Amino acid sequence: DSGVTQTPKHLITATGQRVTLRCSPRSGDLSVYWYQQSLDQGLQFLIQYYNGEERAKGNILERFSAQQFPDLHSELNLSSLELGDSALYFCASSVGNTNNEQFFGPGTRLTVL
Amino acid sequence: QQQVKQSPQSLIVQKGGIPIINCAYENTAFDYFPWYQQFPGKGPALLIAIRPDVSEKKEGRFTISFNKSAKQFSLHIMDSQPGDSATYFCAASNGGSQGNLIFGKGTKLSVKP
Repeated sequence: DSGVTQTPKHLITATGQRVTLRCSPRSGDLSVYWYQQSLDQGLQFLIQYYNGEERAKGNILERFSAQQFPDLHSELNLSSLELGDSALYFCASSVGNTNNEQFFGPGTRLTVL
Repeated sequence: QQQVKQSPQSLIVQKGGIPIINCAYENTAFDYFPWYQQFPGKGPALLIAIRPDVSEKKEGRFTISFNKSAKQFSLHIMDSQPGDSATYFCAASNGGSQGNLIFGKGTKLSVKP
């Protein structure tokens, strides 16, 4: 158990809908990273927050957004969902802002029908 | 420039064998190189990591070899066991600018009893 929690574990929804994925980092970690894992693209970095502020952006679509709250939990919002958004979404946390050990949560499996 | 190339895609060894997984990178600014282990339905788990100032690091049965001039690093698993059967990912990050990880495509390892 990494200490990172994610909810829900599974999510099934329809095209065009909006969903919110939630992540709680390990106690004491200030950074939260979101990654998408799909069979064809592998593990891709989406976005990073550090102590409530956005720090880095990767291959995140404009339909996706995220935020980190004062209690350091983070939410990833996915809107206007398409079939191709079906994937595993992982959150990871680390103590600092850069170059630190990242610990991954169990993931949320999103299925868009 | 930002890619991490991982090989082989899959690997089958007998129990007790020494599987070797290789990764190569182009970006000389990368300065942190972790390996993750992922079981089906689980999040990636940090296995071992190395920085460019050392050429080898051992933790238990897992060893990373690092060749800075060739921009390559590899994972060796000594005395492999059926329980080591999983997908292994190498990754790299540039801590100087941002901490997100760039992942290889993964290697599916199967250790036969």
